[in-house]
Amino acid sequence: DVVLTQSPLSLPATPGQPASISCRSSQGLLYSDGKTYLTWFQQRPGQSPRRLIYQVATRESGVPDRFSGSGSGTHFTLNISRVEAEDVGIYYCMQSTHWPTFGQGTKLEIK
Amino acid sequence: QVQLVQSGSELKKPGASVKVSCKTSGYTFTNHGLNWVRQAPGQGLEWLGSINTNTGNPTYAPAFTGRFVLSVDTSVSTAYLEIIRLKADDTGVYYCARGSTNFDKWGQGTLVTVSS
Repeated sequence: DVVLTQSPLSLPATPGQPASISCRSSQGLLYSDGKTYLTWFQQRPGQSPRRLIYQVATRESGVPDRFSGSGSGTHFTLNISRVEAEDVGIYYCMQSTHWPTFGQGTKLEIK
Repeated sequence: QVQLVQSGSELKKPGASVKVSCKTSGYTFTNHGLNWVRQAPGQGLEWLGSINTNTGNPTYAPAFTGRFVLSVDTSVSTAYLEIIRLKADDTGVYYCARGSTNFDKWGQGTLVTVSS
């Protein structure tokens, strides 16, 4: 199995300030079709996961542009340029280049 | 709009079976695969398996072989997850999510509680 390791696991964030979550993979995630299937989800309390970013850096329609994704190979990052109160929740990275696996999750809370 | 609507919560005894449904609408069912994901209480997300909605061919994660059965009924655009011989640690929320690699749309989740 491909292991995804997120850090930090807990992220106290200040409204208006940037925040960043790292996701490291135990194997490369570049598929034979040239695409990298690394996805970021947000799970707000009591809700289903919501896709934010797919194929490393493509933002889902309707997702605020303060969310961005980057990375390649085995290291990926989700950035929030200016945290807002509504961003509270758990963020997961997931790879589906191989059989799908998820990171452990990063809990973002407001300071 | 695309919707995945799952069946309601279930309370079952150990050894029983449960069947969870995921009814889809707003798109052509057979154009997208369907994944199932488990979230144990207070835990993260775990991919259980997926099903090719065209052929009905399922794929299971290693930890979910033997007691977990995925199926589809294309006539009603619905996917199913059946768990047999339930154990206490099967307790959790089970989600369906569209797409073989996409996971772009999710159901609301079905809580399955296994308790004597």
